[in-house]
Amino acid sequence: EAGVAQSPRYKIIEKRQSVAFWCNPISGHATLYWYQQILGQGPKLLIQFQNNGVVDDSQLPKDRFSAERLKGVDSTLKIQPAKLEDSAVYLCASSNRQGIYEQYFGPGTRLTVT
Amino acid sequence: AQSVSQHNHHVILSEAASLELGCNYSYGGTVNLFWYVQYPGQHLQLLLKYFSGDPLVKGIKGFEAEFIKSKFSFNLRKPSVQWSDTAEYFCAVNYLNTGGFKTIFGAGTRLFVKA
Repeated sequence: EAGVAQSPRYKIIEKRQSVAFWCNPISGHATLYWYQQILGQGPKLLIQFQNNGVVDDSQLPKDRFSAERLKGVDSTLKIQPAKLEDSAVYLCASSNRQGIYEQYFGPGTRLTVT
Repeated sequence: AQSVSQHNHHVILSEAASLELGCNYSYGGTVNLFWYVQYPGQHLQLLLKYFSGDPLVKGIKGFEAEFIKSKFSFNLRKPSVQWSDTAEYFCAVNYLNTGGFKTIFGAGTRLFVKA
């Protein structure tokens, strides 16, 4: 089966600019996750969708970050405006359901904010 | 806030040495536990998981982990490592929170195996 797709793979922007990331999960997976992974740290959950509804966005900086999941399939994560501390790898993952089910990760988007 | 601690950030071993990576979590209720691995240049992928039953679980490539509830631990082990085990290893804990299941990852352990 095709894996989780993400684009772009790399992005360099200046602070205060905006950026968007796209994720296409594995077909049929109801749960979609966006993680932020700062160098030297583990992935930190930003937002979790169940179909097209938000399950958890408690760690999403909502003043600058937004995310949506179109028709319960693809998802986009946007940052506007970006700050230097947003430099990180943004990972998208999907799973059949929540809980005991394995998460399948995409390759990530490496964002550098200068 | 709940947390996951991985005790070693960097581990260097020679081939055939035994491996144990520590993982402790803080949540006191029912948990699902995972170890993920990221080989150089590859995606994060599942190594093994525990959600019920035998607390000793076996995963791919000869890895195993033991869930000790009283110690809030889920340590990863392998009796004899190979050069190809060089990777970063992440422990993750999943628990039921208001609104759904929540997953927290540890900071990761970078393992380098010398040939």
